Amino acid sequence: EPEVTQTPSHQVTQMGQEVILHCVPISNHLYFYWYRQILGQKVEFLVSFYNNEISEKSEIFDDQFSVERPDGSNFTLKIRSTKLEDSAMYFCANQGGLGGETFGSGTRLTVV
Amino acid sequence: SQQGEEDPQALSIQEGENATMNCSYKTSINNLQWYRQNSGRGLVHLILIRSNEREKHSGRLRVTLDTSKKSSSLLITASRAADTASYFCATAYAGGTSYGKLTFGQGTILTVHP
Repeated sequence: EPEVTQTPSHQVTQMGQEVILHCVPISNHLYFYWYRQILGQKVEFLVSFYNNEISEKSEIFDDQFSVERPDGSNFTLKIRSTKLEDSAMYFCANQGGLGGETFGSGTRLTVV
Repeated sequence: SQQGEEDPQALSIQEGENATMNCSYKTSINNLQWYRQNSGRGLVHLILIRSNEREKHSGRLRVTLDTSKKSSSLLITASRAADTASYFCATAYAGGTSYGKLTFGQGTILTVHP
C-alpha cells in the first residue's frame, strides 16, 4: 500500500534555529497537508498545498512557516526561527480520494 | 470554527468487550473520518463516512453518523489488547476552500486489558 514517508523521525534543535521537515508523499495525489500535534493535545491543521501553492493555512501557520515542493516529489515544511512552543509532532498527509487521508508517521520536533 | 469532540476521554475495558466512542461536531460536513494513533506514532485511517450515509462497517468497526444531531459513534466489537490506542474523529468541513482539510477532536484513549 502506498505510504507517506517523513524524515527525520526525531529532530532536536536549538531555539531560534531553522528546521526543515521532509515528506515524500504518495505520487499522483494532488493535495498535501501539514498538521501538528503538541504532546497530549489534538491534531491541528497547519496548511494545505495544491497545484504547487498554498490553498489554505491556519492561524498557526504564521510568517515563520513555509512549505515547498522543491523537486516535484518532496514536500517540505520549514520553520525559520524555532520557539519552544513549536515542539510537537508534525505530520504530513496526502489526500486519499475516497478513502480519507494517508498520514506519515510524523517527525517529533523538540526545541531546546 | 467547527470541532470534533469525542467522549469519553478515556475508556478502559476487558478483551472481548465492545468499545463505543462518540464524536460531536458543530458545522456542516462533507464527511467524518476516524483515525487511530498508537502512542507517539502516526495516524492510521480507519473509516470514512459521508454526510449522506448513516452507517458503515469495516471488519470489527461500525460507524454511525447522525447529521441532525451532528454526532457520530465508533463501535469496536470483540476488542483485543492490540486495539489499545487513541482514537480520533476528524471532520471535513462542507464549506471549506481547502479540499480534504480535517478538523480533529481531542480523542478517546482506549485501553483493552487482556
